[in-house]
Amino acid sequence: EAGVTQFPSHSVIEKGQTVTLRCDPISGHDNLYWYRRVMGKEIKFLLHFVKESKQDESGMPNNRFLAERTGGTYSTLKVQPAELEDSGVYFCASSHLGSSPLHFGNGTRLTVT
Amino acid sequence: ILNVEQSPQSLHVQEGDSTNFTCSFPSSNFYALHWYRWETAKSPEALFVMTLNGDEKKKGRISATLNTKEGYSYLYIKGSQPEDSATYLCAPASGGYQKVTFGTGTKLQVIP
Repeated sequence: EAGVTQFPSHSVIEKGQTVTLRCDPISGHDNLYWYRRVMGKEIKFLLHFVKESKQDESGMPNNRFLAERTGGTYSTLKVQPAELEDSGVYFCASSHLGSSPLHFGNGTRLTVT
Repeated sequence: ILNVEQSPQSLHVQEGDSTNFTCSFPSSNFYALHWYRWETAKSPEALFVMTLNGDEKKKGRISATLNTKEGYSYLYIKGSQPEDSATYLCAPASGGYQKVTFGTGTKLQVIP
């Protein structure tokens, strides 16, 4: 089966610009998570979808971040406008059940200059 | 315990030594406990998912135990090899929708 894919792998944008990250989970996986790693620190939870519904978005840092998962398939994470502190690696992961292991994408490295 | 805590933060062991790490997590609203192995420049890979108190899982030289009542899990590596060098992450799933949150990890370096 195809794994979790993320696009782009790397994005460099200027402060104030908009960037949209995309995640395609493994087909049939209802659970989709977004995480980010900033400055080499731990992986921080951003939000959790079950199918198309946001179950928990308590980790979203502020209203400049918007995540969607239309139709319960792929998901997008938009940052608008981007700030310097948004730089980091954004990971997407999916799973079939709550007790199933997460399958991670390769991440999107975002650099805001 | 209010957050996920892992110890030690890092350690260096000689090839052939056995080692273990600790993960402490909130025991309330517990659903499952995940362990992941994360190599530099790669994505985390799942090792185990455990759900029951007293669970023990094994994969080759790596094993894990779970105590849900007191909120801790141990990961053991027997006869460490250089290829075991990585960061080991624990991640409890909790709440009605099994939100998975990660600890800060234990960075293991195995010296040949």
